[in-house]
Amino acid sequence: GDSVTQMEGPVTLSEEAFLTINCTYTATGYPSLFWYVQYPGEGLQLLLKATKADDKGSNKGFEATYRKETTSFHLEKGSVQVSDSAVYFCALGLANKFYFGSGTKLNVKP
Amino acid sequence: IAGITQAPTSQILAAGRRMTLRCTQDMRHNAMYWYRQDLGLGLRLIHYSNTAGTTGKGEVPDGYSVSRANTDDFPLTLASAVPSQTSVYFCASSDSAVTDTQYFGPGTRLTVL
Repeated sequence: GDSVTQMEGPVTLSEEAFLTINCTYTATGYPSLFWYVQYPGEGLQLLLKATKADDKGSNKGFEATYRKETTSFHLEKGSVQVSDSAVYFCALGLANKFYFGSGTKLNVKP
Repeated sequence: IAGITQAPTSQILAAGRRMTLRCTQDMRHNAMYWYRQDLGLGLRLIHYSNTAGTTGKGEVPDGYSVSRANTDDFPLTLASAVPSQTSVYFCASSDSAVTDTQYFGPGTRLTVL
């Protein structure tokens, strides 16, 4: 069935380090792919999205490219900040349904 | 301020009791969703509605029911709560299809004893 797998956390980085959070998906059709972020005590917010293969989503310095050949949508940021500490969820949308990964907690230390 | 509101913020409930979680959006979005969030499992879709008057089952629908009498409201009902339904529940909405951004409410923390 359709699903999303993302890397286990927590991920702990120092400020200004490079971030990669891996996400791979399994889908029977052509899904849209998303990254959502959840700050403590809040609901999820869309970070970025891509709706077709080779699209690159970007926002707030974060980027992810929809790779159909590797069924991946890895999240990257060149220089993280303490304020980026949150839980990040990869998700796919297909056929009126949405599937989220289990989330990756990011801790950024000053 | 436009957005999604959920009520209550939190609730402790005895097993076997009936409970309705409320969700209201003022963005005139067609689609609405209910998720539960459990540690290590991410968010799982319970039920969804593509437009007023229609509903569909998600990944984990058992023990829950929904209705969509109008565009703005999408209540989730637990007919007879069980401890395994202890979770944080999020309501979300989007303009139409799953390619659209979903906007999430602040969540309801439910504890079933």
